[in-house]
Formats: sequence, C-alpha cells, structure tokens
Amino acid sequence: DADVTQTPRNRITKTGKRIMLECSQTKGHDRMYWYRQDPGLGLRLIYYSFDVKDINKGEISDGYSVSRQAQAKFSLSLESAIPNQTALYFCATSDSGTSGVFTDTQYFGPGTRLTVL
Amino acid sequence: GEDVEQSLFLSVREGDSSVINCTYTDSSSTYLYWYKQEPGAGLQLLTYIFSNMDMKQDQRLTVLLNKKDKHLSLRIADTQTGDSAIYFCAADKTDTGFQKLVFGTGTRLLVSP
Repeated sequence: DADVTQTPRNRITKTGKRIMLECSQTKGHDRMYWYRQDPGLGLRLIYYSFDVKDINKGEISDGYSVSRQAQAKFSLSLESAIPNQTALYFCATSDSGTSGVFTDTQYFGPGTRLTVL
Repeated sequence: GEDVEQSLFLSVREGDSSVINCTYTDSSSTYLYWYKQEPGAGLQLLTYIFSNMDMKQDQRLTVLLNKKDKHLSLRIADTQTGDSAIYFCAADKTDTGFQKLVFGTGTRLLVSP
C-alpha cells in the first residue's frame, strides 16, 4: 500500500551493528505496528503504538526498540543485530476511530528484508 | 491464547475455483481477515468478515464463516495466474481496547495455466 512506506526495502548488515528501520504513513491513522515475518511462522508482533506517547511491547520485543517520532512516523531499531533477527519486517497502521469511523483494520507497508550476517 | 492454522500449499489450474481454509481457536474473535502477499510485496487486505455474518461476497471472493466450528474459508472463483500468492488468515483478539491480530502461517496458492 503506497500510503505506508518503509525504508530501506533491503538491508544486509553484520552481527553487532545497530540498525534502524523506518516507517511513514499518509493515511492519518493513529495506531502503528511493527511485525516480523519468518518462513512458516506467519507474522509476529514486535511493538505497537496507539499514539505518539503510547508505545507497547508485542509478543517478541526482546532485542528491539522503537520510537514514534510523530503520528506519521514509527521506527524500529535493532541495537545490536544478531543472525536470528534475519527476517522480513512489516510496518502496519490502523485507525482506532478517532476520525469517527471505527474499523481498526490494519494496512501494511511493503516490508523491509533484513539479513544479519 | 489464540491460534490460527492454515494448510501450507494449494495448487489449482487457471479457471478453477480455489478454496483456502483456516481454523482458529478463540471464539471471541470479532473480525476475521484475509490478506494476500505477492512476491516481494507487503500484505494487501483482501476482505474481512464480522463474526455475526456467515458469508460475505466481494466480486470473485467469497468468505464463509462457521462460528460453531471456528472455521473460515476463502473461495476464489475463476482463479487466474495473477492470484498466485500467499494468503494469510488473521483473527482479532481484543486486548485492552487494542485489536491484536493473530496470523496463520499462510497458504501458498499456485495457479498453473
């Protein structure tokens, strides 16, 4: 979905390096999410944010941190990357209903493929 | 906790109907979703169904929900090669006002000419 963009799209890095993945959205949604996708495991939630001041851990937050710089921007950091963090990372957004229409349906970005050597 | 399961692979011929199945465990799920992931792309929302519905149709897509058996299916009529992708089923689990999504492992649909 072009309304949710992620940078970079691909990244290869080495063990121990700090990496930041960025997500921006023009949908005007208040909620944003970070997931990782591993083959055969579906998507798993890393962190989610209800608004700029509300950030919460998901089911697999260890080794990751996030920053919600603005309503439209949500970045994911790997402080010291390790090989088992090699995965496809997705950002998603949803509207909790602040616009008056509740769906909370999540819309995904194109993903960032991260390889940690 | 919620668990969502799908078969891993489905192969059909162009023009046939495809049926992708999904089971979930949490009967309190309110919304159930189908997402499509094409190679190198993100997840595209295809459709969703509210838990008080049995069926939802949207052009070539038909979603059937059996709440008693906690079974969800996605039927694609007149399947085309462009439908080849991975299809994810997801069930919501309301948690302190947050609609957490639990995803299945995805079903890879291969459509041959």
